[in-house]
Amino acid sequence: GAVVSQHPSWVICKSGTSVKIECRSLDFQATTMFWYRQFPKQSLMLMATSNEGSKATYEQGVEKDKFLINHASLTLSTLTVTSAHPEDSSFYICSPLTGTDTQYFGPGTRLTVL
Amino acid sequence: GENVEQHPSTLSVQEGDSAVIKCTYSDSASNYFPWYKQELGKRPQLIIDIRSNVGEKKDQRIAVTLNKTAKHFSLHITETQPEDSAVYFCAASTSNEKLTFGTGTRLTIIP
Repeated sequence: GAVVSQHPSWVICKSGTSVKIECRSLDFQATTMFWYRQFPKQSLMLMATSNEGSKATYEQGVEKDKFLINHASLTLSTLTVTSAHPEDSSFYICSPLTGTDTQYFGPGTRLTVL
Repeated sequence: GENVEQHPSTLSVQEGDSAVIKCTYSDSASNYFPWYKQELGKRPQLIIDIRSNVGEKKDQRIAVTLNKTAKHFSLHITETQPEDSAVYFCAASTSNEKLTFGTGTRLTIIP
């Protein structure tokens, strides 16, 4: 399957600060990246879809000004949680579109906002 | 948009017995149905998938069935083992599009 890395794997930050999460596709070029969020004991929910070189498409209810997505290259997409609050504490997972139906996930980033 | 329902939410099975998890979907255009296994604190791992042109697929102890007419698909795990304990998610999508996930099933294998 596709090799995907995420950094950091976990982060703890103070309320009001911003956190950047990087997602890299290591063995292929990802023109599209899906960003999911998973709260404890819940399912994965799609936050946004990013396409290389263009603006991301956000799902209903996801604030685009709070969750900034940049997909500047075919191997790197970033998600920045701006002015994080405790309710943003979650497991954030990226998943690149590989050109087939199969979707693989990055290892995830666990964000805890104090 | 697509809506995926998954049942049961929790399932306990004696080791060696079979486990069945069922999902229904709403969008008749969906044509790809993967199943993921997620262990605590880890990413979802694809365990099996099926496309709409196939009714059944099997991989060792794991099988998936699809009924397009009824819009439901199921995961079957036979000869369950303790390492099968995890949360399982079904999902649905159209080709190369975003996945819509079910709510998950916490499977516990009782030794």
